Amino acid sequence: DAGITQSPRHKVTETGTPVTLRCHQTENHRYMYWYRQDPGHGLRLIHYSYGVKDTDKGEVSDGYSVSRSKTEDFLLTLESATSSQTSVYFCAISDPKQGPWEQYFGPGTRLTVT
Amino acid sequence: SQQGEEDPQALSIQEGENATMNCSYKTSINNLQWYRQNSGRGLVHLILIRSNEREKHSGRLRVTLDTSKKSSSLLITASRAADTASYFCATDRAGNMLTFGGGTRLMVKP
Repeated sequence: DAGITQSPRHKVTETGTPVTLRCHQTENHRYMYWYRQDPGHGLRLIHYSYGVKDTDKGEVSDGYSVSRSKTEDFLLTLESATSSQTSVYFCAISDPKQGPWEQYFGPGTRLTVT
Repeated sequence: SQQGEEDPQALSIQEGENATMNCSYKTSINNLQWYRQNSGRGLVHLILIRSNEREKHSGRLRVTLDTSKKSSSLLITASRAADTASYFCATDRAGNMLTFGGGTRLMVKP
């Protein structure tokens, strides 16, 4: 988890409210990723970023948006949270200069939508 | 959809025994990686094997890759209670995105 922090670590919110999760890195890695982890599904990619203001969709992007205004921060926003978005969210980073695409993960954010 | 599928989903062994986990995938890959996740924590990278490699070792870990069968195995020798965790394989197809399997939950009993 070194060099990657996520905030908040736990959050309970109500259906229909907006939620923003933050990932912060001190490693100056170019790529940043948001995953969700659900029982029986492993980790699924939501969105990723390949540079400041450069983002792209992953496998399960519906209902999520992201922004990256600085190298070190990658924000995940649920515009209107739904119960199906209850999950554990992980941020990860990687950089091709560091090796062939191994990823380093943050500690996770547990989100409950009631 | 998951590119990698681990087998078994759960494995319980005694300390000192070897643990073997398997991963199957569907499409061609650049490399395959294995990660460990302790309960309540993020994933930690264990080992990477490239598509042109057949076997790789790191400490008590041994990974094999059979691209003709689209499968990989992770062997943990002389397991310890501290090896209790979930283990995930992840395939790298495009060089910047990994696709993870559902994981194998390993319990090592002291």
